[in-house]
Amino acid sequence: DAGITQSPRHKVTETGTPVTLRCHQTENHRYMYWYRQDPGHGLRLIHYSYGVKDTDKGEVSDGYSVSRSKTEDFLLTLESATSSQTSVYFCATRPGTGFSETQYFGPGTRLLVL
Amino acid sequence: GQNIDQPTEMTATEGAIVQINCTYQTSGFNGLFWYQQHAGEAPTFLSYNVLDGLEEKGRFSSFLSRSKGYSYLLLKELQMKDSASYLCAVRNNAGNMLTFGGGTRLMVKP
Repeated sequence: DAGITQSPRHKVTETGTPVTLRCHQTENHRYMYWYRQDPGHGLRLIHYSYGVKDTDKGEVSDGYSVSRSKTEDFLLTLESATSSQTSVYFCATRPGTGFSETQYFGPGTRLLVL
Repeated sequence: GQNIDQPTEMTATEGAIVQINCTYQTSGFNGLFWYQQHAGEAPTFLSYNVLDGLEEKGRFSSFLSRSKGYSYLLLKELQMKDSASYLCAVRNNAGNMLTFGGGTRLMVKP
């Protein structure tokens, strides 16, 4: 358990509204990731961060933005939510000190966009 | 491009052995991970392979052949609690990202 929390854990919102999901870690890990998980697609990387204010796009970044102003927090924002963004969102972290290290996953956020 | 294939579902009997295969065609390779994910929960790390061969960890073993773009996860002495999805993931050359397969849902029956 890498001390990762996500908030909110569940959210229902309407199309066109902005949504921000928060990932908080207590392990001082360098890398943080946002994934979405959908049936038939597995986990797909949205954005990741390799340090404070350092972020990069993943495989499915359109419609999402991220920010990391502190080591412990990584925010994912849906600027204008669409029904196609209904998904389970997982945050993950990685220490960044060794090559064989795994990613540790948070408990997930279930987002429903109506 | 990245292409990672796993069977969608498998069924096995308690006490038996099951092998879950993963084939990959990726633009880079710097290690392969296996994760277990129970329904409604987060993925958890099972194994890591970067060199060819077998890595054994208790009831679970993982094999890698880089020349064939192939890995498998072997689960022995299956227990009911092993019913879960098993995710194969390939790390890129830079070592900063994972690409996941679609996952294999394993159902263990009594």
